[in-house]
Amino acid sequence: GQNIDQPTEMTATEGAIVQINCTYQTSGFNGLFWYQQHAGEAPTFLSYNVLDGLEEKGRFSSFLSRSKGYSYLLLKELQMKDSASYLCAVSDSNYQLIWGAGTKLIIKP
Amino acid sequence: GAVVSQHPSWVICKSGTSVKIECRSLDFQATTMFWYRQFPKQSLMLMATSNEGSKATYEQGVEKDKFLINHASLTLSTLTVTSAHPEDSSFYICSAGTGGELNTEAFFGQGTRLTVV
Repeated sequence: GQNIDQPTEMTATEGAIVQINCTYQTSGFNGLFWYQQHAGEAPTFLSYNVLDGLEEKGRFSSFLSRSKGYSYLLLKELQMKDSASYLCAVSDSNYQLIWGAGTKLIIKP
Repeated sequence: GAVVSQHPSWVICKSGTSVKIECRSLDFQATTMFWYRQFPKQSLMLMATSNEGSKATYEQGVEKDKFLINHASLTLSTLTVTSAHPEDSSFYICSAGTGGELNTEAFFGQGTRLTVV
């Protein structure tokens, strides 16, 4: 079956760095997405990786290793507004998104 | 980025009535639209995928006669929850893409919070 695993919850301190991991097992691979979702709101797109390596976009970076079925989202200089759920999703062989359960990130002052 | 508009953002209805939710792609043609449901503290659950001009493909366990999806144009898809019951209360979100390998980013609507009383 298809499976996306990510930690349920993480806690970090304002100003620090946090890495949210995602491992996947899917039928085919056409890219991995990271989304941010604040409570009661729809997800917003953060990043897309289809090739191995690190993609940097401001305070957020996303890494992919296709051979290991592994990705991480790195958040630097954490701000209180970064408190949200972070969803990992993989596009499978049919270009259908398979969603992880999300990681709730709690930022403390 | 592309904009997907979903309406209404919230709705309260009586048990047994029907509710229609609209999803519009404002600045691109969405050949494929996705409807999700999300219960509190849970991840997104795909309900159905609709392609313009054809019948929607429903995920296992989703009643197609209860959740009617219409994708009559490249910019509009609608989800109608028929004979709503309290257990249908949830956050419904649509997303749109250009389909296939071009769907490198799913653009989400704002979501609709449905409460059935």
